[in-house]
Amino acid sequence: QSVLTQPPSLSAAPGQKVTISCSGIGSNIGLHSVSWYQHIPGTAPKLVIFDNHQRFSGIPGRFSGSKSGTSATLAITGLQTGDEADYYCGTWDSRLSAVVFGGGTKLTVL
Amino acid sequence: QEKLVQSGGGVVQLGRSLTLSCAASGFNFLDYDMNWVRQGPGKGLEWVALIGHDIYSQYYMESARGRFTVSRDNSRGRVTLQMNDLAVDDAGVYFCARSARNFASMDVWGQGTTVAVS
Repeated sequence: QSVLTQPPSLSAAPGQKVTISCSGIGSNIGLHSVSWYQHIPGTAPKLVIFDNHQRFSGIPGRFSGSKSGTSATLAITGLQTGDEADYYCGTWDSRLSAVVFGGGTKLTVL
Repeated sequence: QEKLVQSGGGVVQLGRSLTLSCAASGFNFLDYDMNWVRQGPGKGLEWVALIGHDIYSQYYMESARGRFTVSRDNSRGRVTLQMNDLAVDDAGVYFCARSARNFASMDVWGQGTTVAVS
């Protein structure tokens, strides 16, 4: 069971918008910035968003992040088939003294 | 080009030890905290350990404390994960990763190496 809670799966059609939620508590998201990763199994994860809303180098503007209180959200607009991947949120947890990840959300672009 | 190249891994018997290594190139290794992250079969990403750029700060996931040791050689640009008393649940693909703006923002990743526990 992951410290951060994400929906296990989401699906949407090409061109549509999807939002992936990430829920935590005060000692993690409530205090620290959130990062988002795109992971295609068998490859290395890729940083998509850092500091809650900053796009990492090379990430298209279709990807955006936000945070409010103890929750964070990754939004992807204009979905493309190449966006199919597992997406993870991550942050630091002061109570655990550990980096914590969400359980991951499998995004399917139908 | 900023790069992390991993070595080590393989098949190990239950309860035995294994060491993973990660060699950095293309950036000033001294400036960055380094992590190990794993993915078990059919599971999500799981953070394992972190070592600060100054080598004095080390953090571990709960199940790794007392069994795993993360270390680094700043003169050689290398980070190592020594894993002892390996359990079935330790099997998976292990990645080393560089922390950027903060501990949890990892911007450069190794290629991954597989650990199997028999």
